[in-house]
Amino acid sequence: GQNIDQPTEMTATEGAIVQINCTYQTSGFNGLFWYQQHAGEAPTFLSYNVLDGLEEKGRFSSFLSRSKGYSYLLLKELQMKDSASYLCAVDDDYKLSFGAGTTVTVRA
Amino acid sequence: IAGITQAPTSQILAAGRRMTLRCTQDMRHNAMYWYRQDLGLGLRLIHYSNTAGTTGKGEVPDGYSVSRANTDDFPLTLASAVPSQTSVYFCASSDSAGASDTQYFGPGTRLTVL
Repeated sequence: GQNIDQPTEMTATEGAIVQINCTYQTSGFNGLFWYQQHAGEAPTFLSYNVLDGLEEKGRFSSFLSRSKGYSYLLLKELQMKDSASYLCAVDDDYKLSFGAGTTVTVRA
Repeated sequence: IAGITQAPTSQILAAGRRMTLRCTQDMRHNAMYWYRQDLGLGLRLIHYSNTAGTTGKGEVPDGYSVSRANTDDFPLTLASAVPSQTSVYFCASSDSAGASDTQYFGPGTRLTVL
C-alpha cells in the first residue's frame, strides 16, 4: 500500500516562514504534488516536483529528494490568507495518493 | 463556465436510498476522478476514468459505481447508501491519464447518510 506522512497541524506568525514536511513510501513514483485547501473549499494546485531539487514559485517553494522519499513545502512571508490545509500527494501509476494534510494556522 | 461543477452541494440521505452525485467539466479533459475526504484520512480515490467509455477502481470502490458515457460527465452512484458513506465527495479532472498532469477539483458535495 501507500504510506504518505505529514504533520497534522502547524502554527506560525504572520510574516514568518513555515516548512511542511512530507515523507512517502509508495510502490511507484511519477512525481509529487502539493495542494492547498481552504476550509470548506476544493483543493487547488500549488506545485509539482518530479526531479530532485527545489522549485520556487513566488512565496512558495517545494523540494524533493527521491532517494529519501522526502519532500517539503516552504511558505515564506506568511499571510493570514495562507491559513489552510496543505496536502502532499504522490503520483503512483498516474493516480494520486494523498497524505492526510497539514493544517497551517497563521496568527497575527 | 470554466472548470468543474458538482451537484448537489449538499444532501442528507436516508440509509438504503439510491443517490447519484453529478460531475461535469468543460475543459475537455480526458481523465476524471472521484474522491472522498474524511477527517484525518485525507482524500481517497473511489473510481477513475482515463477516457470516455472506460472506468477503473480506486482505493475505496465498494458501494459505489460510475459511468463515463461522454467526455464531460462522470456521475457517481451509491446504490444503497450506508452511514459510513457520510463524507465530502470531490470530483476532479486532468488533461490526460498516463502522464503526471495536474488534477483540478470541483467544489465538492457534502453527503450525510442517516
